[in-house]
Amino acid sequence: EPEVTQTPSHQVTQMGQEVILRCVPISNHLYFYWYRQILGQKVEFLVSFYNNEISEKSEIFDDQFSVERPDGSNFTLKIRSTKLEDSAMYFCASSEGESSSQPQHFGDGTRLSIL
Amino acid sequence: DAKTTQPNSMESNEEEPVHLPCNHSTISGTDYIHWYRQLPSQGPEYVIHGLTSNVNNRMASLAIAEDRKSSTLILHRATLRDAAVYYCILRGPHNAGNMLTFGGGTRLMVKP
Repeated sequence: EPEVTQTPSHQVTQMGQEVILRCVPISNHLYFYWYRQILGQKVEFLVSFYNNEISEKSEIFDDQFSVERPDGSNFTLKIRSTKLEDSAMYFCASSEGESSSQPQHFGDGTRLSIL
Repeated sequence: DAKTTQPNSMESNEEEPVHLPCNHSTISGTDYIHWYRQLPSQGPEYVIHGLTSNVNNRMASLAIAEDRKSSTLILHRATLRDAAVYYCILRGPHNAGNMLTFGGGTRLMVKP
């Protein structure tokens, strides 16, 4: 069964450094998402992306964050200058369509640790 | 977005059926009921979804009340691998950016 893959599984970065989290969505999917989960807290929506544009973003997704689909397969999340509070699990997801009946398929996440 | 209410935790014995309830009294006529689960150290995993009729798939069954104000996810025979947090999420046509809004879910513990 096709799946969403994320790399790296764990990223350790010094505060203030830039970090790029990578995702390969399911190949025929057109809608892409990033979520994050701080340890012990709920899964939170960050951003959705379609047709090379951001469709929606949450308050968390400030100017320090950006997303890109650099080629036909990868979908990346960049944090420009990391803060301690960016430490979390980051999950990428994709869906075939946008209708409310379409499920989203998630990767197993990247654990980001900011020192 | 319409809100869902789930018990914080439930316990089950292995190989017994599990009924996970969800209340969504403010559901609108166009909201789909989705269930996801999150196993330890993994990302959320889609389980099942429905609109009005009961649904079955290889993972679970979804029973939807006639007034749609509640639903129940049914695992027919719980295994240790089913120990996870189960999320009941409503999705309507006006969900901004197709986002999923996760609540606290129900933590299912399965005893051998």
